[in-house]
Amino acid sequence: EIVLTQSPGTLSLSPGEGATLSCRASQSVTSSYLAWYQQKPGQAPRLLIYGASSRATGIPDRFSGSGSGTDFTLTISRLEPEDFAVYYCQQYGRSQWTFGQGTKVEIK
Amino acid sequence: EVQLVESGGGLVQPGGSLRLSCAASGFTFSNYWMSWVRQAPGKGLEWVANMKHDGSEKSYVDSVKGRFTISRDNANNSLYLQMNSLRAEDTAVYYCARPRVGASFDFWGQGTLVTVSS
Repeated sequence: EIVLTQSPGTLSLSPGEGATLSCRASQSVTSSYLAWYQQKPGQAPRLLIYGASSRATGIPDRFSGSGSGTDFTLTISRLEPEDFAVYYCQQYGRSQWTFGQGTKVEIK
Repeated sequence: EVQLVESGGGLVQPGGSLRLSCAASGFTFSNYWMSWVRQAPGKGLEWVANMKHDGSEKSYVDSVKGRFTISRDNANNSLYLQMNSLRAEDTAVYYCARPRVGASFDFWGQGTLVTVSS
């Protein structure tokens, strides 16, 4: 099983600042199968990025994904008030899906 | 508009059983793989089970193998999760989700809470 480790656990930032979230895999991940989600309290997760760098439908361009192999990054260029949430990375391989433990982006 | 609506959650004693349902609409259900993903209270996301569009392939996370069974009824646009021998650690919100491009989950239901407690 591929384990995804996200860092940092919590990111304290102010609106307008940029955010960089990391996702590191225990083994190489096929980039096509790396995704990022946003989850707000009491809501289902929302797909942000698939294929490591492609934005899902309706996702603003301040969200971008990059990386390959074992190291992937989600970047939020300028935080809007609605971006404060928990973010998860996810990978698929050998008929199994795994998620990272999440990074909480909170208002400083 | 794609909609996934889960039902069937509730309080069950350890060792008990529960059947979750997911009603799908707004897309051709029989063309898509479907999945269950869960989230324990205050914890992260965990993929539980997956089923091919025609029901010919299924896969499960190791912790539920032999206890949970995923199934579907394409005629009624429904996905199910039969959960037997439930344990306290199965307590979670269970989401129905549609895996799509790059095996990412592009649509999710609102979730149904399963609580396993005596």
